[in-house]
Amino acid sequence: EVQLVESGGNLVRPGGSLRLSCAASGFTFRSNWMNWVRQAPGKGLEWVASIKQDGSVIRYVDSVRGRFTISRDNAENSLYLQMNSLRPEDTAVYYCARGPNYGVGVDYFDYWGLGTLVTVSS
Amino acid sequence: DIVMTQSPLSLPVTPGEPASISCRSSQTLLTGNGANYLDWYVQRPGLSPQLLIYYASTRASGVPDRFSGSGSGTDFTLKISSVEAEDVGVYYCMQSLQTPYTFGQGTKLEIK
Repeated sequence: EVQLVESGGNLVRPGGSLRLSCAASGFTFRSNWMNWVRQAPGKGLEWVASIKQDGSVIRYVDSVRGRFTISRDNAENSLYLQMNSLRPEDTAVYYCARGPNYGVGVDYFDYWGLGTLVTVSS
Repeated sequence: DIVMTQSPLSLPVTPGEPASISCRSSQTLLTGNGANYLDWYVQRPGLSPQLLIYYASTRASGVPDRFSGSGSGTDFTLKISSVEAEDVGVYYCMQSLQTPYTFGQGTKLEIK
């Protein structure tokens, strides 16, 4: 059974940093694109970042580029999101989502974790 | 960025009746290989989003066949042939053609 378990969400002050983790199990982690998608309270879904199987291709939404860094450790079956210079508008539930195990792009998110809440407030 | 526009935003449906959600993209999602890079997701109350349809019309694993996707280019539709109580939630379309991948605003399906 595919499982994605996020952790690391917390209350942080504007300008602060946080590192989210996603522990994957039930599939060959190194074979799939991996992604972060967020959802602000009461709002819709927003794609944040994606990373290719070997980490050679990384993409970000403009609003986080230069502040957030997505990475993965295939030996540890883990996905990460380092979040720096956090802003109140980054407040959201952050979901880890699996992409396909083929192709040059993400195409779809077929499994999602339960999410971890990041709150940026003074 | 590709803008995704859904309608309606609210959809009250009687159980057993069909339902239809429209999604329009600001650019074509059809590529030279014939694929449309359009997905449908549902987020049931209190739960994480779930993939329903990808490539506009391919049902994801385990998705009941009362859900179907159609369309091509810039106009797409998600249909539920006979709504059940468990179908309550917010339905999102998403384009996966190019980054930033973008979602529609969401359509809230509720039971009458």
